[in-house]
Amino acid sequence: DAGVTQSPTHLIKTRGQHVTLRCSPISGHKSVSWYQQVLGQGPQFIFQYYEKEERGRGNFPDRFSARQFPNYSSELNVNALLLGDSALYLCASSLYGGAGNEQFFGPGTRLTVL
Amino acid sequence: AQKITQTQPGMFVQEKEAVTLDCTYDTSDPSYGLFWYKQPSSGEMIFLIYQGSYDQQNATEGRYSLNFQKARKSANLVISASQLGDSAMYFCAMREDNYGGSQGNLIFGKGTKLSVKP
Repeated sequence: DAGVTQSPTHLIKTRGQHVTLRCSPISGHKSVSWYQQVLGQGPQFIFQYYEKEERGRGNFPDRFSARQFPNYSSELNVNALLLGDSALYLCASSLYGGAGNEQFFGPGTRLTVL
Repeated sequence: AQKITQTQPGMFVQEKEAVTLDCTYDTSDPSYGLFWYKQPSSGEMIFLIYQGSYDQQNATEGRYSLNFQKARKSANLVISASQLGDSAMYFCAMREDNYGGSQGNLIFGKGTKLSVKP
């Protein structure tokens, strides 16, 4: 079975642009979480979606948004990109949202903002 | 305050020796889980081991064991018989089961870079 997949693998954007990152969860998983990992730090929670509804949100500005589709895939959108948005963006899927559900991570999308 | 603290930015270990990576945590939630992940240079987070707050015994998974000291709020990872392929970043993470907002998502430490010497 395929694991969590993310696209694209690498992306270069300039300040002020917007970006869309995509994630496909493991088959049968209904929850997707997004994390941002800047260089030298651990991942930081951005959003969780379960059954197409936002279930959790980390401490990120409104420039960050996400959605989940009927097939449980997800998109993370970032508007008005800043240099500080350069990071590895990780997607994780789990069977259900909430406690007690192990998260499986994808390979990540490496975003560089120039 | 930091919820997960990893005080060792970098560690060196000789191949075939054991190494301990430190992790302390801070939570008031009586129900939580502690995780260790390995992140090679490719970027993917690889799950290694899990310890629940109510588990009586320390978790073990092959060469990995978790030294869980609840009163001290520490969850150190022990890797036995280190291999060259163990060289990577290692992250300790916590999941709080009852507190809203995080919805069971993970809180990570800053990581420890482990280098295994031949």
